[in-house]
Amino acid sequence: GAGVSQSPRYKVAKRGQDVALRCDPISGHVSLFWYQQALGQGPEFLTYFQNEAQLDKSGLPSDRFFAERPEGSVSTLKIQRTQQEDSAVYLCASRVAGGREGYTFGSGTRLTVV
Amino acid sequence: GESVGLHLPTLSVQEGDNSIINCAYSNSASDYFIWYKQESGKGPQFIIDIRSNMDKRQGQRVTVLLNKTVKHLSLQIAATQPGDSAVYFCAERGRNSSYKLIFGSGTRLLVRP
Repeated sequence: GAGVSQSPRYKVAKRGQDVALRCDPISGHVSLFWYQQALGQGPEFLTYFQNEAQLDKSGLPSDRFFAERPEGSVSTLKIQRTQQEDSAVYLCASRVAGGREGYTFGSGTRLTVV
Repeated sequence: GESVGLHLPTLSVQEGDNSIINCAYSNSASDYFIWYKQESGKGPQFIIDIRSNMDKRQGQRVTVLLNKTVKHLSLQIAATQPGDSAVYFCAERGRNSSYKLIFGSGTRLLVRP
């Protein structure tokens, strides 16, 4: 596709429920990133993939957060036993290897935990 | 639509005026900086970038200025248009990282017709 596609666009989860957020990066983009954006804040880094390898997961807030990119294209961010503080917009971004222009971001998934 | 930020610093300008959005960055070792525009309900959109070996870079209607001495970055938008209304974030990348961006807290720009 022309851009980074994320689904669902909105997700409401009951506290304790597991959720899975999907990211389709731009075709051919080697690098893929997940960021978390709380209301009124700038995005914060969660994790980074180069192809299928997860090279950095230092930003994942707890072991309830898990990300994968098994075939080096589509990525899934999974959150287990969601809690209210997980409510945020989850942004996915991709770029070509060593791309100068930073990342191309998707529109995000807004997760609300009730 | 959803709001990107409800309690962000806000800059209100008249259509046609120039806008200046400021950002203080945190890491003196950062060597690459980007300005992003984020409209409500959308992801951040790249505007312009600058490397630390430069003081100024110009694009179409936008200019980024970098002052490394005081760790300050600014975005100037010429002849501001209603379509420029959005939240603007600066982001920095550390010298030791080729990929991780650290975002500032953002400024909301409102353009009055």
